Amino acid sequence: NAGVIQTPRHKVTGKGQEATLWCEPISGHSAVFWYRQTIVQGLEFLTYFRNQAPIDDSGMPKERFSAQMPNQSHSTLKIQSTQPQDSAVYLCASSLRGRQDTQYFGPGTRLLVL
Amino acid sequence: QQKVQQSPESLTVSEGAMASLNCTFSDRSSDNFRWYRQHSGKGLEVLVSIFSDGEKEEGSFTAHLNRASLHVFLHIREPQPSDSALYLCAVSIGTSSGQKLVFGQGTILKVYL
Repeated sequence: NAGVIQTPRHKVTGKGQEATLWCEPISGHSAVFWYRQTIVQGLEFLTYFRNQAPIDDSGMPKERFSAQMPNQSHSTLKIQSTQPQDSAVYLCASSLRGRQDTQYFGPGTRLLVL
Repeated sequence: QQKVQQSPESLTVSEGAMASLNCTFSDRSSDNFRWYRQHSGKGLEVLVSIFSDGEKEEGSFTAHLNRASLHVFLHIREPQPSDSALYLCAVSIGTSSGQKLVFGQGTILKVYL
């Protein structure tokens, strides 16, 4: 079991460019979560999918951020027109159906917006 | 709304000395608490989960939950330099969309020889 896979591990973009982050959940897990981690804010919930359907996006910034889960084997987080304040580590986690309290985390993607 | 705070922000201990980390939460209706560890550049690794008042031991890690005082502690017995990491407390809350984890800001632990 490879665990949750996130790619790329590091990404540097220029201000105004688009960034797409990928997450491959653990096989058999039906729930996928996205978090953002910064020194100032800590770990913040962004959004959550269950059986590929968006369930809760209450943590997603209303502009420029979007997430999708086109199939059960991957999810993407897209940030349009990136800004320096988007610089953070973006973590993806997955869990078994009905066990959203037991989440397994990927290594994260460190995004730096210059 | 559940708020989770951790103290201290950072802690330095010598190898073999007990390390104690504190996590305070605001809503005692939660019944599901976890401690995670995050080494630099890595993902979160669950250390111990606790669901009822009292203690739960997993290897060198012991969680102690006291819901009445709104505290959950993590004690690390005989820490090693490899235990140097960020330690995160997470409280599970129920929402209309299912369980959600609320995290504290973390405690940075440094263990020296």
